[in-house]
Amino acid sequence: DVKVTQSSRYLVKRTGEKVFLECVQDMDHENMFWYRQDPGLGLRLIYFSYDVKMKEKGDIPEGYSVSREKKERFSLILESASTNQTSMYLCASSARVNYGYTFGSGTRLTVV
Amino acid sequence: QQQVKQSPQSLIVQKGGISIINCAYENTAFDYFPWYQQFPGKGPALLIAIRPDVSEKKEGRFTISFNKSAKQFSLHIMDSQPGDSATYFCAASRGPLIYNQGGKLIFGQGTELSVKP
Repeated sequence: DVKVTQSSRYLVKRTGEKVFLECVQDMDHENMFWYRQDPGLGLRLIYFSYDVKMKEKGDIPEGYSVSREKKERFSLILESASTNQTSMYLCASSARVNYGYTFGSGTRLTVV
Repeated sequence: QQQVKQSPQSLIVQKGGISIINCAYENTAFDYFPWYQQFPGKGPALLIAIRPDVSEKKEGRFTISFNKSAKQFSLHIMDSQPGDSATYFCAASRGPLIYNQGGKLIFGQGTELSVKP
């Protein structure tokens, strides 16, 4: 069963902490994405990667960075967590020639 | 131009009724219009998708209606069931993402559907 796995379902972090969210896919997909989901705002793209070591900003990159050292793994980093980064974070992947995305189950992050 | 606007934000339907969710877009270069279904505690999953060369696509109880001239598309759920209760997202993109060219999915705001028994 192919899938996208996010390492944590729930995380609680303190303001100012450096936070790492990990995502691994087993479908050999070239593209990987990080979205945040907030009620009434839908899914907003934070960063995406179209190849190993390649990364591009999405619509809301401020306060975030990413790392993609291996094809199957895409990490989202909150350099200094703030309360306005409390949200559901979703990782997704897609093959280079396909339109559809496969999503992970999400990480609900609370920053206190 | 990159926005996809979805309505309503929430919807309550009786079992057996028809659920209708609407989306509108501005970018005429969009060529792929999927709907995703998300159950609580899960990530969104592709439900059904349409390309602009057809006006309707049906898969079981789920139908996408597409109006290219109006730049609108909608999801119809016939004979709605309590198990259909979920959040639904429309989306649009301009081509697949190939290297750094082409589109990324732009999502609507989501509709929380509740089907009452």
